[in-house]
Amino acid sequence: DAGVTQSPTHLIKTRGQQVTLRCSPKSGHDTVSWYQQALGQGPQFIFQYYEEEERQRGNFPDRFSGHQFPNYSSELNVNALLLGDSALYLCASSLTGAYQETQYFGPGTRLLVL
Amino acid sequence: QKEVEQNSGPLSVPEGAIASLNCTYSDRGSQSFFWYRQYSGKSPELIMSIYSNGDKEDGRFTAQLNKASQYVSLLIRDSQPSDSATYLCAVLPRGGAGSYQLTFGKGTKLSVIP
Repeated sequence: DAGVTQSPTHLIKTRGQQVTLRCSPKSGHDTVSWYQQALGQGPQFIFQYYEEEERQRGNFPDRFSGHQFPNYSSELNVNALLLGDSALYLCASSLTGAYQETQYFGPGTRLLVL
Repeated sequence: QKEVEQNSGPLSVPEGAIASLNCTYSDRGSQSFFWYRQYSGKSPELIMSIYSNGDKEDGRFTAQLNKASQYVSLLIRDSQPSDSATYLCAVLPRGGAGSYQLTFGKGTKLSVIP
């Protein structure tokens, strides 16, 4: 049973650049959520995609955008990178309508902005 | 602002003892509660989920929920050095706007001393 996968595992960018992170959900799941985790903090919700649409968004600026594809995989795009965007970016997948809609996390992408 | 509070620790317990991790939440309408374990440099891994008031046991782990007190806890019996990690409490609100966003505490760092 394939779990949640993310790519790349690590990324180094400079301020002002743009980055795209990718996520494939767990087999059988149709919903993808993205979280940002700064060092020493709990994950913060960025947004969730279901049926190829952004279903809910957290308190993140428009520089953060995403997409979901027909095969349920998803991308997170961040434009005009700031130093403060350095963090672990986590993708979580779930099945809408399932009991408690438990979210399972991928291994994450660690982004460093210099 | 919906909040989830945890003691940051570190919580140190001797091997074989019971570790008790606590979490309070502010949104009285919350319906689902999760405990994730996160090893240093890794992504969160689901340990337990609980939905109803009372206790839920899974192996050495017991989750306890008291909705009236807005309190959820995790007990780890016979603690092992491999249990040393940060434990994240996460809360999912009831249906409606904002119902898909997991809100996390900052986590409690547990250290099991051999």
